[in-house]
Amino acid sequence: AQTVTQSQPEMSVQEAETVTLSCTYDTSESDYYLFWYKQPPSRQMILVIRQEAYKQQNATENRFSVNFQKAAKSFSLKISDSQLGDAAMYFCAYLDSSYKLIFGSGTRLLVRP
Amino acid sequence: DGGITQSPKYLFRKEGQNVTLSCEQNLNHDAMYWYRQDPGQGLRLIYYSQIVNDFQKGDIAEGYSVSREKKESFPLTVTSAQKNPTAFYLCASSRRGRGTGELFFGEGSRLTVL
Repeated sequence: AQTVTQSQPEMSVQEAETVTLSCTYDTSESDYYLFWYKQPPSRQMILVIRQEAYKQQNATENRFSVNFQKAAKSFSLKISDSQLGDAAMYFCAYLDSSYKLIFGSGTRLLVRP
Repeated sequence: DGGITQSPKYLFRKEGQNVTLSCEQNLNHDAMYWYRQDPGQGLRLIYYSQIVNDFQKGDIAEGYSVSREKKESFPLTVTSAQKNPTAFYLCASSRRGRGTGELFFGEGSRLTVL
């Protein structure tokens, strides 16, 4: 069974600085999707960024980018120029071949003004 | 606007009672999902459905039941057999097949057992 591990329960970053959230996963599949979702205090899940495993190029969305290392099964999220509105829980997720989305335990990001 | 609507947002239940959480989507998505979230934890999959009249158990299906009689609707019943039902429940939908792989989420329902 696939698993997703986020080893950082909480991270803190100074406003305008850069922070990287870690995620590793375990799978025997070769084709899959990986995601980072953001959950602010409102509890609404918001898609931050998506990566298809067959693409070697790392995905980017404005201030958000990933470092996808397929061989190492690593999928970290980098947030540049951090803003107060980035404070939230961040979940790494893996979409398997049966279309189940499996989540990590989350990382709480604190942004210091 | 297209989206996913969950109701009620807050629900209180006495021990021993069944309760049904509603999830409706107008995104024309084939696949729908129910997740449970406990404080400080990630989301765990309860049930999911790829097409009408078909659904599969997720990782924590015991004590829950679902139906998928219509494409737009995927209600979740929390039965009295669920030992610890107090939690936040999230419904999601996606296009069938891998597509973009993205799940769209509702705003959630918080269930409290008194």
